[in-house]
Amino acid sequence: DGGITQSPKYLFRKEGQNVTLSCEQNLNHDAMYWYRQDPGQGLRLIYYSQIVNDFQKGDIAEGYSVSREKKESFPLTVTSAQKNPTAFYLCASSYGRGGPSGELFFGEGSRLTVL
Amino acid sequence: AQSVAQPEDQVNVAEGNPLTVKCTYSVSGNPYLFWYVQYPNRGLQFLLKYITGDNLVKGSYGFEAEFNKSQTSFHLKKPSALVSDSALYFCAVRDPDRGSTLGRLYFGRGTQLTVWP
Repeated sequence: DGGITQSPKYLFRKEGQNVTLSCEQNLNHDAMYWYRQDPGQGLRLIYYSQIVNDFQKGDIAEGYSVSREKKESFPLTVTSAQKNPTAFYLCASSYGRGGPSGELFFGEGSRLTVL
Repeated sequence: AQSVAQPEDQVNVAEGNPLTVKCTYSVSGNPYLFWYVQYPNRGLQFLLKYITGDNLVKGSYGFEAEFNKSQTSFHLKKPSALVSDSALYFCAVRDPDRGSTLGRLYFGRGTQLTVWP
């Protein structure tokens, strides 16, 4: 089945460590996104990419980095510079050539806890 | 600026009763509007969207939403609620007239729906 796979589902990290969250999609979608979810704050956009080898900062990019070397993959690194990294992270994709009317498809999320 | 407001953090309804989850939006042009549902510790699932045409949009699981341009609203509705509808619901908007934001969605803070037996 086609879909978006995020891993790991749960991750624990010590302060000062970088961690990379994986996001892979086999939907042949052009665009991919990373959102952060905190209780009562909805979803906030971290980074997004509309084509391979190109990505843009979202609203809360500080302390995060991404790469888009392959169409299928959009990993997110949470660096030690991120002051409050404990959150639920959601990856999504959309069919860019469908234009702005296309909905986003989401993965199951990765919950990061900093100890 | 594009934004979405969900004025109710929580909505509680009895099973079998109609439910409404409210959403208002702010965009400079004609909006594209979406509803998503999230179950605990899961990703978001797409329910329905309004792009153009009929103001009443039907979606998954018996949900529908009504677009009202004069009130800038896009409320989610269901005629008869089920206990299994209990979840977190998100409204989202995109302004298609802003090419630089192609693909981006702006989400509300979410409304927790609880349907009690």
